[in-house]
Amino acid sequence: DIVMTQIPLSSPVTLGQPASISCRSSHSLEHSNGNTYLSWLQQRPGQPPRLLIYKISNRFPGVPERFSGSGAGTDFTLKISRVEAEDVGIYYCMQAAQFPRTFGQGTKLEI
Amino acid sequence: QVQLQESGPGLVKPSETLSLTCSVSGVSISSYFWSWIRQPPGKGLEWIGYMYYSGNPDYTPSLENRVTISLDTSKNQFYLNMSSVTATDTAVYYCAGYTATTQTPDLWGQGTLVTVSS
Repeated sequence: DIVMTQIPLSSPVTLGQPASISCRSSHSLEHSNGNTYLSWLQQRPGQPPRLLIYKISNRFPGVPERFSGSGAGTDFTLKISRVEAEDVGIYYCMQAAQFPRTFGQGTKLEI
Repeated sequence: QVQLQESGPGLVKPSETLSLTCSVSGVSISSYFWSWIRQPPGKGLEWIGYMYYSGNPDYTPSLENRVTISLDTSKNQFYLNMSSVTATDTAVYYCAGYTATTQTPDLWGQGTLVTVSS
């Protein structure tokens, strides 16, 4: 299985300031079809996860523009340009290059 | 509006079989891939397996000898059965759907807590 490692596991942030979460995979997530399948999900307290970003940098419909993804190969980053109160929650990276899908441990974003 | 709803017993005895149903409304079950994902209390997400209506299911290796995923297109439902459960299977179980484009669940049920206890 591909191991996903997130840094940090907890991130205190200030409203209106940027935030960044890193994710590293144990193997390249580049598929033979040329796509790199790294996704980011947000889980607000008491809610199911929600897809934010897929294939490194594609925002899912309805996701605010302040969320952006970048990276390549085995190193990826989720950035929030200006944190809002509703962004509190746990963020997971997930690899979709191979089965079984695997998730990072989660990063808790706290105001 | 697409909705996914998990249903099943909230309490299962050790060594018995956990059975859950995901009822899908607002979209045809044949148009998505369907997965089960679980989350132990206070912990992270674990992929259990997935199925597409025209293919065979695929399971995470650590669970594949105890898990069966199936679906019924006529009822627009899919199912999870997990045998020989222990306390470590206590978790919130989510059903989720995704497309070939995202390869990541973008449709989620609210989740159902299953507790394994005698």
